[in-house]
Amino acid sequence: QKEVEQDPGPLSVPEGAIVSLNCTYSNSAFQYFMWYRQYSRKGPELLMYTYSSGNKEDGRFTAQVDKSSKYISLFIRDSQPSDSATYLCAMRETSGSRLTFGEGTQLTVNP
Amino acid sequence: EAQVTQNPRYLITVTGKKLTVTCSQNMNHEYMSWYRQDPGLGLRQIYYSMNVEVTDKGDVPEGYKVSRKEKRNFPLILESPSPNQTSLYFCASSPAVGLTDTQYFGPGTRLTVL
Repeated sequence: QKEVEQDPGPLSVPEGAIVSLNCTYSNSAFQYFMWYRQYSRKGPELLMYTYSSGNKEDGRFTAQVDKSSKYISLFIRDSQPSDSATYLCAMRETSGSRLTFGEGTQLTVNP
Repeated sequence: EAQVTQNPRYLITVTGKKLTVTCSQNMNHEYMSWYRQDPGLGLRQIYYSMNVEVTDKGDVPEGYKVSRKEKRNFPLILESPSPNQTSLYFCASSPAVGLTDTQYFGPGTRLTVL
């Protein structure tokens, strides 16, 4: 069983839709949670970062962590065609440097 | 411009022919890492380096070697490539070991081993 599970999609939505991307994990030692965005033919880039449980908002993006359910989410409001990319969740234990990535969800926002 | 560069971007080779993929960063980062990305498996860490002359195995190190003789460079070496090493490879760096949540990725190297 994978430590981090992420629905690979693909997910296709119309412009302006609210998008919900999710990951579940099995390792209760994960404390740091990240979302990376990867455009086609590019390397991933950090989008959002949260520590432990709670919400974090940055413009149209909201990251949510529910440690009791071992579940993290990324919400995109008023989605735009420029949001079309693969979104990867990643997480890390308090001690250690290793990031464990989800498989990534491919998102397409249609004009 | 602050960046991580990789070369080559695309490579087709044959089984057993040694190859090196170079990685360089101009941000004076201490931590560097190599990943491979495969459909259905996501990003998996191959090797990482916490500083010059300090390297360690990641999740899938078999068949790979690395070296870190200078802070800016972290080459990935495949001594005897095999078809199961066909993949998309990314080099990444971050300012320090405690800041690996913020990793800066290179553009990727697509390797095909025939």
